[in-house]
Amino acid sequence: KAGVTQTPRYLIKTRGQQVTLSCSPISGHRSVSWYQQTPGQGLQFLFEYFSETQRNKGNFPGRFSGRQFSNSRSEMNVSTLELGDSALYLCASSRDSSYNEQFFGPGTRLTVL
Amino acid sequence: SQKIEQNSEALNIQEGKTATLTCNYTNYSPAYLQWYRQDPGRGPVFLLLIRENEKEKRKERLKVTFDTTLKQSLFHITASQPADSATYLCALPLWGNNRLAFGKGNQVVVIP
Repeated sequence: KAGVTQTPRYLIKTRGQQVTLSCSPISGHRSVSWYQQTPGQGLQFLFEYFSETQRNKGNFPGRFSGRQFSNSRSEMNVSTLELGDSALYLCASSRDSSYNEQFFGPGTRLTVL
Repeated sequence: SQKIEQNSEALNIQEGKTATLTCNYTNYSPAYLQWYRQDPGRGPVFLLLIRENEKEKRKERLKVTFDTTLKQSLFHITASQPADSATYLCALPLWGNNRLAFGKGNQVVVIP
């Protein structure tokens, strides 16, 4: 069974630009969560999607948004990039809301210059 | 406010010994707690889940305990090997099963 895939793996952007990251969950998994990981703050929850609906949202500004498609693939978008958005963005999938184990992808390393 | 604390100092341990990591939390009443392993440049990998009504859980050389009175979980790696060198993260669910709050992780270095 293929794992969670994320594209691109690395990205360099400049301040003010926007970026879209993509995540393909494990086949059959309907829940996709996004996390931001930085050395200072660690892993922080961004949002979770289930059956194309955002169910939970973390404490991030509205510049961070996402969506989920009918095939469970998900994208997250960050607009008006700031230097502090430089981080590893991780996507995790799980079967459904009652299944607790999350399977993480390799992440997208975003650098904002 | 809610906090999850893991030791920020790396744990250096001799091969074959038992590594013990601590996860303390405040202002949570989690139904379960999870442990993940993360290698540099990779996403976390799920290791174990322990529920609030379980005192101990084992998987191969790994053992986790969960004390809801002390608000603490201990993670043990017995007969440690250099391949166990990684950062280990504890995670608690917040509202909703798939919204996890993570500790900052504890690095383990197993010395051959």
